[in-house]
Amino acid sequence: AQSVTQLDSQVPVFEEAPVELRCNYSSSVSVYLFWYVQYPNQGLQLLLKYLSGSTLVKGINGFEAEFNKSQTSFHLRKPSVHISDTAEYFCAVSKVNAGKSTFGDGTTLTVKP
Amino acid sequence: DAGVIQSPRHEVTEMGQEVTLRCKPISGHDYLFWYRQTMMRGLELLIYFNNNVPIDDSGMPEDRFSAKMPNASFSTLKIQPSEPRDSAVYFCASSPGVLLLYEQYFGPGTRLTVT
Repeated sequence: AQSVTQLDSQVPVFEEAPVELRCNYSSSVSVYLFWYVQYPNQGLQLLLKYLSGSTLVKGINGFEAEFNKSQTSFHLRKPSVHISDTAEYFCAVSKVNAGKSTFGDGTTLTVKP
Repeated sequence: DAGVIQSPRHEVTEMGQEVTLRCKPISGHDYLFWYRQTMMRGLELLIYFNNNVPIDDSGMPEDRFSAKMPNASFSTLKIQPSEPRDSAVYFCASSPGVLLLYEQYFGPGTRLTVT
């Protein structure tokens, strides 16, 4: 079975600073990886995904993530955050050709002025 | 496309009452998921369907919970009888599941309060 660990439950950061949200996964088989964002009082929405190919994946709102197979990590980064990036971020993993994903516990990103 | 539609958006009920949550997935999506989100337990997968067939219901808390998908455009999650500990936000999500597109599209959620 797959599992996902988001290493930080809360990340406070000042506006325009860079940020990295960390995600490690474990799986004995090939996986797909996802990052979702949840704004207050909304459902989750996809930020980016890694299926295959280039290990650097670019998503919406200036976010990117790098798949590192040897370290089993899929960290999310943004070079300069905005107040509007304040939200909860979820890392998720699914087995190749499997329908469901396993979600991490989430990281709350708070961007302060 | 209107996205995943959930109704009602808010539900307040008394303990012991039956609650039915409804979901309309995105047209053409093969997978449908029901999740529950609370502060204490985070995001939990309750059950998911593939082509209207339940695949994994191991996350359903107990027999008070049941889910159906009578056709490709409609699903329900029923709680009978409801209890205060069922208070949570319930999300429905759908996924294409074809061409290796397994990302999920979430609805806005139903906030359930059981008093």
